[in-house]
Amino acid sequence: EAGVTQSPTHLIKTRGQQATLRCSPISGHTSVYWYQQALGLGLQFLLWYDEGEERNRGNFPPRFSGRQFPNYSSELNVNALELEDSALYLCASSLVGAGSYEQYFGPGTRLTVT
Amino acid sequence: GQQVMQIPQYQHVQEGEDFTTYCNSSTTLSNIQWYKQRPGGHPVFLIQLVKSGEVKKQKRLTFQFGEAKKNSSLHITATQTTDVGTYFCAGPKAGNNRKLIWGLGTSLAVNP
Repeated sequence: EAGVTQSPTHLIKTRGQQATLRCSPISGHTSVYWYQQALGLGLQFLLWYDEGEERNRGNFPPRFSGRQFPNYSSELNVNALELEDSALYLCASSLVGAGSYEQYFGPGTRLTVT
Repeated sequence: GQQVMQIPQYQHVQEGEDFTTYCNSSTTLSNIQWYKQRPGGHPVFLIQLVKSGEVKKQKRLTFQFGEAKKNSSLHITATQTTDVGTYFCAGPKAGNNRKLIWGLGTSLAVNP
């Protein structure tokens, strides 16, 4: 079974530009979560999508947005990039089921804003 | 708001020593999950505890869920260099089992 995949692996952008990050969940998983992990820090929850809809978002400005497609893959868009947006962006997926709450993470996209 | 706290933030041990990290929630949890993130890697799910007082073992790792379901611990016996990484605990947000509240993690360094 293929795991969660993310692309690109690395992304270098200039301040003010836009970045698009992509995630494909494990087959059969309908929920996708996005997290930001700044260097040496914990996981900051960004967004949660399930069945194509945004279910929850963390304390991030509106320039962080995304969507989930009918095949459950997801996209995270970051507009008007700022230097402090430099971080590892992790996508995780989970399976809806009784008592099944664990999340499976992709390898992440390392975003560098210069 | 609901918080999950982990201590210690960092731990440095000699190979062969034991290691314990503690996780405390501000609210009662329906379950608690533990993840491990190796340096340069991504978090990997280790285990989920659901029952009050539950104890689960994975080789040298022992996970406990407190009786009040507000705290948990991960104990590693006789650490090895392969145990290096950051250990996170996470619990579901009250009223929303699908969203996790994460601790900040405990970073473990092991001297060979």
